[in-house]
Amino acid sequence: EVQLLESGGGLVQPGGSLRLSCAASGFAFSSYYMSWVRQAPGKGLEWVASLKPDGSEKFCVDSVKGRFTFSRDNAKNSLIIQMNSLRVEDTAVYYCARVVYSSGWDHYYYYMDVWGKGTPVTVSS
Amino acid sequence: DIQMTQSPSSLSASVGDRVTITCRASQNINTFLNWYQQKPGKAPKVIIYSASNLQGGVPSRFSGRGSATDFTLTIGSLQPDDFATYYCQQSYSVPLTFGGGTKVEIK
Repeated sequence: EVQLLESGGGLVQPGGSLRLSCAASGFAFSSYYMSWVRQAPGKGLEWVASLKPDGSEKFCVDSVKGRFTFSRDNAKNSLIIQMNSLRVEDTAVYYCARVVYSSGWDHYYYYMDVWGKGTPVTVSS
Repeated sequence: DIQMTQSPSSLSASVGDRVTITCRASQNINTFLNWYQQKPGKAPKVIIYSASNLQGGVPSRFSGRGSATDFTLTIGSLQPDDFATYYCQQSYSVPLTFGGGTKVEIK
């Protein structure tokens, strides 16, 4: 069964750090782009980052640049965010998601087809 | 950044109704538009990708249309399981952006 399982969320004070992980199983993890998406309480979805299959390129939203570090360990089928200098506005449920990416002369697909259950992060004093 | 605007933000409908949700992009995104369904406390689920392609396992009452800046998601005959929040998302360029969501409620 294809599965993603996030962990590492919790309560942290502003300025603190947290490390989130996403464990993948049931598919060839190293062949897929992967993404992080977050959702603040009662709010909509916000894309946070995407990583190429080999981890050579990472793209992220401006609001986390310089504070969050994204990585993947293909040997362990895992996706990681190291979150530093956390702010109250980083409070959200963080989801990891598998990306379907395919591009050809007659088509282009880039969408998130498998999602984890999410891990909650609360930044509060 | 590409802004995605959904309308309406919420709607009330009855089982069996035909429902249409609109998503507008702030610039031309070709057909690089996906739709997700999210139920309370659950992760989102993709229902339509690349504007009009039905994801496997999704009922055929869901359909998507559009290109460039204007897109629609239609539920042909609303079923009890369809009451949820729907989001559009552009994959034309980073940062990937989502619409604000449309909550479909029971009338």
